[in-house]
Amino acid sequence: GQQLNQSPQSMFIQEGEDVSMNCTSSSIFNTWLWYKQDPGEGPVLLIALYKAGELTSNGRLTAQFGITRKDSFLNISASIPSDVGIYFCAGQLGGTYKYIFGTGTRLKVLA
Amino acid sequence: GAVVSQHPSWVICKSGTSVKIECRSLDFQATTMFWYRQFPKQSLMLMATSNEGSKATYEQGVEKDKFLINHASLTLSTLTVTSAHPEDSSFYICSARMPDSPNTEAFFGQGTRLTVV
Repeated sequence: GQQLNQSPQSMFIQEGEDVSMNCTSSSIFNTWLWYKQDPGEGPVLLIALYKAGELTSNGRLTAQFGITRKDSFLNISASIPSDVGIYFCAGQLGGTYKYIFGTGTRLKVLA
Repeated sequence: GAVVSQHPSWVICKSGTSVKIECRSLDFQATTMFWYRQFPKQSLMLMATSNEGSKATYEQGVEKDKFLINHASLTLSTLTVTSAHPEDSSFYICSARMPDSPNTEAFFGQGTRLTVV
């Protein structure tokens, strides 16, 4: 199946550091979503982006919808231990309500 | 709002038997639900789109006769894994979108871990 390229694949950071991850695609998407998944749980929506160039924040999280509509990034500022988990981007295919998921970024925060 | 619930959370079944997984939208009506499969340490792969009152649409490579989807009401979609085999063991997750929302984000259930022995 189709997937989005997400990087980095994994990150080990110290508590308090900022984190940045991104998603790229060869296809254009109408909507970009960012989710966090804890082990054994379903993904939880963090941020939704609807317009090219849009920059949206949710607490310590900031995400942007790329101008070309083929990429998006997520920043986490001042990381804390509970930020540990897997972060997925998801893009909505134009003309459909289907979402394609990125390969995921596994984040570990060292206290 | 926007709560999606799956049942069961986990199930173990014998090879050759069938297993049904339910996905419910608890506080909204969902005309469209989606079923995903996630293998360990991998991403979510879309299996099919479940449409209320009509046939599901399956992604390429997903066997529709093996993964039966029924969306009989606006709050319930079911996925039945027929004649399950060990290679069907996976984490199955559903999602739903709010039909009247101007936005298109999808909300996920908590997932069902299927183990076929």
